[in-house]
Amino acid sequence: EVQLVESGGDLVQPGGSLRLSCAASGFTFSDHYLDWFRQTPGKGLEWVGRIRNKADGYTTGYAASVKGRFTISRDDAKNSLYLQMNSLKIEDTAVYYCAKDSGVRPYFDSWGQGTLVTVSS
Amino acid sequence: DIAMIQSPDSLAVSLGERATINCKSSQSILYSSNNKNSLAWYQQKTGQPPRLLIYWASTRESGVPDRFSGGGSGTDFTLTISSLQTEDVAVYYCQQYNSLPLTFGGGTKVEIK
Repeated sequence: EVQLVESGGDLVQPGGSLRLSCAASGFTFSDHYLDWFRQTPGKGLEWVGRIRNKADGYTTGYAASVKGRFTISRDDAKNSLYLQMNSLKIEDTAVYYCAKDSGVRPYFDSWGQGTLVTVSS
Repeated sequence: DIAMIQSPDSLAVSLGERATINCKSSQSILYSSNNKNSLAWYQQKTGQPPRLLIYWASTRESGVPDRFSGGGSGTDFTLTISSLQTEDVAVYYCQQYNSLPLTFGGGTKVEIK
């Protein structure tokens, strides 16, 4: 059974930093692209960014709203995905989800339960 | 960026009746390698993450009841629930995966009338 478990969500002040983690199990982690999404309470879904697999050079892509502030990384030996968030803004407040792509194209057949990040003074 | 516009924002349907949700992309999302539309549908129940229902616009994910079907072509797509059940109360989202950034529709809330 595929499992994705996010952690690291917290209350942080504007301008602060936070690192989210996503622990994965139940599939061949190193084969897959992995993505982060976020969802503002009561609002819709927003793609944050992705990291490709080793075969595709671990390259990353980001939404314009987070580019230059957020960094996605992975540790295939630990089956873990990370989201380093710097220069946090109030509008970054959201539930953050990690998700595993299908292995074919970027639609997502497994999602974590999410972790809440609150940016407030 | 490809914009995804869903309608309606909310929908109330009687048990056993049909529910239809629309999703329109701002440009073609046809994947040239297989001539299929790069569109997925997700269901999200309160307090839960999204659940994949449909991909390639019309292919049902394993384990998804056959009352859920996806259709459409070009830039207009639909998700149909043929006979609404209590457990189908949720918000439904479309997502294009033809190009980055990945984008979602604004969601359609489905309720029981």
